[in-house]
Amino acid sequence: DAGVTQSPTHLIKTRGQHVTLRCSPISGHKSVSWYQQVLGQGPQFIFQYYEKEERGRGNFPDRFSARQFPNYSSELNVNALLLGDSALYLCASSLTQGQGYGYTFGSGTRLTVV
Amino acid sequence: QKEVEQDPGPLSVPEGAIVSLNCTYSNSAFQYFMWYRQYSRKGPELLMYTYSSGNKEDGRFTAQVDKSSKYISLFIRDSQPSDSATYLCAMSDNYGQNFVFGPGTRLSVLP
Repeated sequence: DAGVTQSPTHLIKTRGQHVTLRCSPISGHKSVSWYQQVLGQGPQFIFQYYEKEERGRGNFPDRFSARQFPNYSSELNVNALLLGDSALYLCASSLTQGQGYGYTFGSGTRLTVV
Repeated sequence: QKEVEQDPGPLSVPEGAIVSLNCTYSNSAFQYFMWYRQYSRKGPELLMYTYSSGNKEDGRFTAQVDKSSKYISLFIRDSQPSDSATYLCAMSDNYGQNFVFGPGTRLSVLP
């Protein structure tokens, strides 16, 4: 059974550009959460979606947006990229809107903004 | 004060040593306590989780939670070079609305 898959694995963008990151959850998982992990720090919560509805939002600017599709896959969009957006973006899926112990993480998308 | 604090390391120990990794937190609403292991260039993987206070053992790993002190620990016995990774504590409330990671401790186990 496939785990959480994220694409692309690596990405280089220029300041001011827009980026879309994609996540496919484990089959049967209905919740997807997005995290930003800056080098040397723990993951910071960006969004959680459950049954295609936003169920939580972290302290990130409106340049960050996300959505979940009917097949439960998800996209994270970031507009007007800044150098500080360079990070590993992690997607986690879970069966329900859980307490964290049911989360399975993907390997992430490493975004570099130059 | 940050919501979850963790010794940043790096921590280097010889193979076979007992390793102690610790986190403190400030939010008394946290009820679920987790330890994740993250290898370089990979996503975090769940090692153990505990609900409320107490101990939990799984093989060479033991998790302890002391809610009165707002302090959690992960002990690794007979550490192996393959344990070299970053260890992240994480915690959440009963409703999953607030799931927070610590900054992580980088561990190196030297052969």
